[in-house]
Amino acid sequence: GAGVSQTPSNKVTEKGKYVELRCDPISGHTALYWYRQSLGQGPEFLIYFQGTGAADDSGLPNDRFFAVRPEGSVSTLKIQRTERGDSAVYLCASSPDLAGGEQYFGPGTRLTVT
Amino acid sequence: QQPVQSPQAVILREGEDAVINCSSSKALYSVHWYRQKHGEAPVFLMILLKGGEQKGHDKISASFNEKKQQSSLYLTASQLSYSGTYFCGTESLGNLRRTYKYIFGTGTRLKVLA
Repeated sequence: GAGVSQTPSNKVTEKGKYVELRCDPISGHTALYWYRQSLGQGPEFLIYFQGTGAADDSGLPNDRFFAVRPEGSVSTLKIQRTERGDSAVYLCASSPDLAGGEQYFGPGTRLTVT
Repeated sequence: QQPVQSPQAVILREGEDAVINCSSSKALYSVHWYRQKHGEAPVFLMILLKGGEQKGHDKISASFNEKKQQSSLYLTASQLSYSGTYFCGTESLGNLRRTYKYIFGTGTRLKVLA
């Protein structure tokens, strides 16, 4: 079946602009995670959803970052007033359920803030 | 807070063995292991859920010492395809309950030479 997909694959934006990053999880997966990965580093936890609700958003760096998953499937990560430090690869992962744990990662969106 | 992995990097010849360690300062419920090739998304290898558990498939196995808050990944008779960066993802306990939140380690770069 289809894996996790993320769009766009690359996004270049100017400092101060607003961006939206989209994640389509594997069909039927109830858990969805967002991570941010900088070059040479491991994925950094941002937020996870169980169904439609954000179960833990403690990894969001500040209030410029927000994520939604209104119907329990597709999720959108929204970044307001982007800063150069937001540049990174944003990874989405889905999991059949929280208890199972194994996560299937999407290819990521490379965000560059100029 | 980030789990520490050792070694940071290792170079092997095909057929040689390697051990990658992951150490956390927090009480853990589970440990995941992932391999990431350059420019690609992390790929799930295995999850360990219980203290003292050991798992394996093919020539890759792992152990989890809950008391020491450590996990080790064992690669035997390494193949060229094993090259990549290995990350552990640790799930800590919060108030003795699962958090379902995964913090990734510092990473271990592994290169297998022919």
